[in-house]
Amino acid sequence: EVQLVESGGGLVQPGGSLRLSCAASGFTFSTYWMTWVRQAPGKGLEWVANINQDGSEKYYVDSVKGRFTISRDNAKNSLYLQVNSLRVEDTAVYYCARGLSSSWHTAEGYWGQGTLVTVSS
Amino acid sequence: EIVLTQSPGTLSLSPGERATLSCRASQSVSSSYLAWYQQKPGQAPRLLIYGASSRATGIPDRFSGSGSGTDFTLTISRLEPEDFAVYCCQQYATSPWTFGQGTKVEI
Repeated sequence: EVQLVESGGGLVQPGGSLRLSCAASGFTFSTYWMTWVRQAPGKGLEWVANINQDGSEKYYVDSVKGRFTISRDNAKNSLYLQVNSLRVEDTAVYYCARGLSSSWHTAEGYWGQGTLVTVSS
Repeated sequence: EIVLTQSPGTLSLSPGERATLSCRASQSVSSSYLAWYQQKPGQAPRLLIYGASSRATGIPDRFSGSGSGTDFTLTISRLEPEDFAVYCCQQYATSPWTFGQGTKVEI
């Protein structure tokens, strides 16, 4: 069974940093693109970033470029999102997701339960 | 980036009725890389449809997707009580992937 478990969220002041983690199990982690998606309170889903199987390709939504960094450790079956220079508008539940297939062009077939990041002074 | 606009914002229906949800893209979504998700309060999204019309594993056949290019539709043939939720479309053809703002299906 595919399982994705996020951690690392919390309350942080504007300008602060956090490292979000996603522990994956139940599949061969190193063979899938992985994705972060966020959802602000009461709002819709926003795709944040994804990373290819060996970490050599990374893509970001414009609003987080230069502030967020996606990475992975295939030996530890883990996905990460380093979030720096946080803004109030980054407040959201951050979901880790895995594609339905190992292709770049794939819908997100599996989701974690999310971790809440709150940016407030 | 491709902007996805969903309509209506809210759909008020009764169990047993048919629901038709629209997702319109600001530019053509190549190869029909369009997905639909269902989300209930406090839960992660659940994939319903991918490739515009393929049902994900375990999704009942009352859910169907159609469309191509810039116009896509999710149809729920007969609403069950558990179907009242928010539905969101996503394109994964052109980076950055984008989501629509969602349609709430309520009783």
